[in-house]
Amino acid sequence: TQLLEQSPQFLSIQEGENLTVYCNSSSVFSSLQWYRQEPGEGPVLLVTVVTGGEVKKLKRLTFQFGDARKDSSLHITAAQPGDTGLYLCAGLTPTSGTYKYIFGTGTRLKVLA
Amino acid sequence: GAVVSQHPSRVICKSGTSVKIECRSLDFQATTMFWYRQFPKQSLMLMATSNEGSKATYEQGVEKDKFLINHASLTLSTLTVTSAHPEDSSFYICSAPNSYGYTFGSGTRLTVV
Repeated sequence: TQLLEQSPQFLSIQEGENLTVYCNSSSVFSSLQWYRQEPGEGPVLLVTVVTGGEVKKLKRLTFQFGDARKDSSLHITAAQPGDTGLYLCAGLTPTSGTYKYIFGTGTRLKVLA
Repeated sequence: GAVVSQHPSRVICKSGTSVKIECRSLDFQATTMFWYRQFPKQSLMLMATSNEGSKATYEQGVEKDKFLINHASLTLSTLTVTSAHPEDSSFYICSAPNSYGYTFGSGTRLTVV
């Protein structure tokens, strides 16, 4: 079974602080996505990274895909209360001829005003 | 963009009854649909993969007779939770790959009382 471990599991910080969320696996993924999910809603895609070593920026969010395509990180600069939510990484892997996304264990972020 | 419409958004049922959840692709053909379950404060767990016109593929530990999946057309996949019990209470989400990536439904909150 492929596992995507995220750390930390929970994070509570003050507005304006920086943070990094990690997504690690022993498996290689074709691509990796990051999502944010609000309670009672489906996940919303933030970014897709495909190439080992790739770095993508989305406003205050910086995403990096590991060189070996086994891990990824999400860095948020100057966090805001609106960043509060469940952050999920998802790795694309071929299984039985079908590509599917396997989700990480999740990181619950709370940004206090 | 691609849209997946999921219904119902919330359902409360009595123990022992069956509940059907529908996911429709509104502007694209979904040959594949992934079904996930999410327990409170946890990540998404892949339950099964449905393919139009063929039998669904279930992940290890998921009872196929308990969670019936039908993918009879290119725009509709259904998940039926049969003889539901309180432990089946969860958030169920579908996702379909398309030219824009993977699009998620808005989820169904199932509560079995």
